[in-house]
Order: sequence, then C-alpha cells, then structure tokens
Amino acid sequence: SYDLTQPPSVSVSPGQTASISCSGDKLGYEYVCWYQQKPGQSPVLVIYQDRKRPSGIPERFSGTNSGNTATLTISGTQTVDEADYYCQTWDTKSELGIFGGGTKLTVL
Amino acid sequence: QVQLEQSGAEVKKPGASVKVSCKTSGYTFTTYGISWVRQAPGQRLEWMGWINPKNGNTHYVQNFQGRVTMTTDTSTTTAYLELRNLRSDDTAFYYCARLFCAGGCFDDSWGRGTLVTVSS
Repeated sequence: SYDLTQPPSVSVSPGQTASISCSGDKLGYEYVCWYQQKPGQSPVLVIYQDRKRPSGIPERFSGTNSGNTATLTISGTQTVDEADYYCQTWDTKSELGIFGGGTKLTVL
Repeated sequence: QVQLEQSGAEVKKPGASVKVSCKTSGYTFTTYGISWVRQAPGQRLEWMGWINPKNGNTHYVQNFQGRVTMTTDTSTTTAYLELRNLRSDDTAFYYCARLFCAGGCFDDSWGRGTLVTVSS
C-alpha cells in the first residue's frame, strides 16, 4: 500500500514561517491537498491541487509538490494556525484517498 | 452554501450495526462524490471509501470490505454509511465530505462528524 509520511510535530514562533512536509514515492506525480483540523472540529481544506487555496483561506498558506515531497508552508504563522495538518493524495489505481499521519503544529 | 448535516451520536454493542446519515444541501448532489472518513479518538484521519451519487458506484478501502455499505438517496440528497459487525476499535468520529475530482480528488466540504461508540 502507498504511504505518506509526515513529521509528528512542528513548532514555530508567532510571525515565523512553518513548513510541514509530506513524503511518498514519486509523490510529485500526483496532486496533493492539505487539511487543517483544530481540536473538536472537522477538517478544513486549506490547499488543493498542490498549491491552490480555496476561497476564504488566508494567503499565508501555500503549497508545493515535487519529487517525493509535498510541503505546506505557513508564512507569518499566527496562534490561530495551531492545529493538526494532514496531507492527502489520490491513488488513481484504487480510486481511493490516502492520508498522511498528520502533523501537530504548535505556535509558541 | 454547501452543507452536510450528519445524524447524531450512536452507542452500539459489539457485533451490532450502525447507519449514519449525511443530509446535503446547497449544491447539485449528483455532481460530486461523497466520501466517508473516520477518526478514532486522538488518532489520524482514515479514509473509508466513497460513493458516486450519480450512478451509485462505490469504492471501499480494503480494510472495510465486507463490513461497510455506502448508499445515497438522490430524492433527499442524503448519503448513508452502514458499518456492520462493530468492534470496540470502530469507536470513532465518522465524517462525510463532498468529494471533488479534477485530476485527483479532495474533500472540499465536511460534515461535523458523528461519534459512534462501541461498548458492551
């Protein structure tokens, strides 16, 4: 089965840039999206098709995907960005989604 | 606006079945898929599968094959998830989400989740 690997945790100071990686074999050949999930809430899509932001998502959220790694970058991180972040890709053979293990972003 | 309203929390005994509903509104139901994702307390998100409301085709993650059934009712724009032969490790929040596909698929709107507790 295909696996996506994320670091369990990332810490950043307010105002700094946070980068969360998501690794998988030849991941750059597939689209990746990212979800933000705050405690007690449903996930929210923050990046789709590697780098696109849904309406309402702040410009400080951006994404890249190349080679074996996709990266979610949050510029000028704010305390409200503290959450779990999950990457997800699509397995075109099985036509099923695959989540990464999630990364807990701490802003302090 | 797009809304997905899920049914309320359930408590079931091991071996029982549960059926969770997801009432959608604010968009054309047959234009998007409906995916189901679950999350055990404190754990990661886990894809279960999805259904195409246009034709009823389903795709299930292998771990759930034989125990899960996803259906839709286009007359009420409602999706359903049934999970049978419940075990304690099925205790989780179950989310429905609108699945958008364009060179890969992603969930662009989510329900609030339904907590299913399996306990004797």
